[in-house]
Amino acid sequence: AQKITQTQPGMFVQEKEAVTLDCTYDTSDPSYGLFWYKQPSSGEMIFLIYQGSYDQQNATEGRYSLNFQKARKSANLVISASQLGDSAMYFCAMRENQGAQKLVFGQGTRLTINP
Amino acid sequence: DVKVTQSSRYLVKRTGEKVFLECVQDMDHENMFWYRQDPGLGLRLIYFSYDVKMKEKGDIPEGYSVSREKKERFSLILESASTNQTSMYLCASSLNQGARGNEQYFGPGTRLTVT
Repeated sequence: AQKITQTQPGMFVQEKEAVTLDCTYDTSDPSYGLFWYKQPSSGEMIFLIYQGSYDQQNATEGRYSLNFQKARKSANLVISASQLGDSAMYFCAMRENQGAQKLVFGQGTRLTINP
Repeated sequence: DVKVTQSSRYLVKRTGEKVFLECVQDMDHENMFWYRQDPGLGLRLIYFSYDVKMKEKGDIPEGYSVSREKKERFSLILESASTNQTSMYLCASSLNQGARGNEQYFGPGTRLTVT
């Protein structure tokens, strides 16, 4: 069963607009972590942001924020004031159980920022 | 900065050849991972290791083996390469106790083509 679902294969956004990338997840484990990674055309995966299931507040890292809605099992990435350099593949991932280290990734969303 | 390096960016091998993909990390991380990335499927975990000489199967271990003789090095082995193993291979490492949910740090990837 798909544990991480990213329903947007591709998105096109105008520069300087905010963009939301969707991610829903499925788990029965009360303790889990959610991650977002960026993959530019160079291929390297870059860690962006992390949200723990017990965190009271939504995570933020600079222009990135995570809209965590636990009851809906969604963990959308919001990028404010998009830039041309934000064009990349974006992956949502989940780690179940604090003691485990495995990540399960979604299919990814290709974001293109238009000038 | 954490550095994860992979032995080759591009590799072309023939069907039936034995293939070695090497990964080295310089941050004394306990955990190391091998993924393959295919369009529309995201990243799928092949094998991972929590410690030297320890290995665990991921979601798609068939046709692969691994070796971890030293903490900093994790090798992926294709015993007899097949065309369906043509893919992008990504290595990652992480701490057992990290500040941001034990995020994984990735290498630049090896694009393997089996002809």
